[in-house]
Amino acid sequence: DADVTQTPRNRITKTGKRIMLECSQTKGHDRMYWYRQDPGLGLRLIYYSFDVKDINKGEISDGYSVSRQAQAKFSLSLESAIPNQTALYFCATSEGGRAADTQYFGPGTRLTVL
Amino acid sequence: KQEVTQIPAALSVPEGENLVLNCSFTDSAIYNLQWFRQDPGKGLTSLLLIQSSQREQTSGRLNASLDKSSGRSTLYIAASQPGDSATYLCAVRQAGTALIFGKGTTLSVSS
Repeated sequence: DADVTQTPRNRITKTGKRIMLECSQTKGHDRMYWYRQDPGLGLRLIYYSFDVKDINKGEISDGYSVSRQAQAKFSLSLESAIPNQTALYFCATSEGGRAADTQYFGPGTRLTVL
Repeated sequence: KQEVTQIPAALSVPEGENLVLNCSFTDSAIYNLQWFRQDPGKGLTSLLLIQSSQREQTSGRLNASLDKSSGRSTLYIAASQPGDSATYLCAVRQAGTALIFGKGTTLSVSS
């Protein structure tokens, strides 16, 4: 079973709809992250959370919100989806802040906003 | 603000060639640097992680180096194979934040 799972894997929605993307992890990590990827632009950080009570904005948080329901769950919401939010969204986790700690990524959610 | 740049954006080579992918970053105060592989439409696979105190890491045909003072890293792939075709992403981590990614180098290895 995958350590970091994302649901749904694919979603098509219309402009103005509210959308929630969910991320769950079984790695027992405290830190979780949401990124979006657009063609040719690499990954850009939306929000990150270092523990259940800690939420931080990333580079491109406008138009998004997050909820850290538990150590293992981190959800990303688009309150009113717009077409330029069409992208591939990745959730990631990491154990802590040591130099040896890597980030583990989920399989991604492909979101299309019409 | 940390910025990560990868050159070239795309690279095509025949099978068997050795090749180098480049990554540069603007702020040398990093915890680590990582190289990832991404197949089209797929997730990211971690290839190598170099801690700030290290100079290089090796895994099979892959060797990554880090020169923190000059803000550069290279990923060396020996004896390239068609299965190496993918996008390679470089990312750096600084204190108190998440990985910051470059835009990637798309590699195509022809047989």
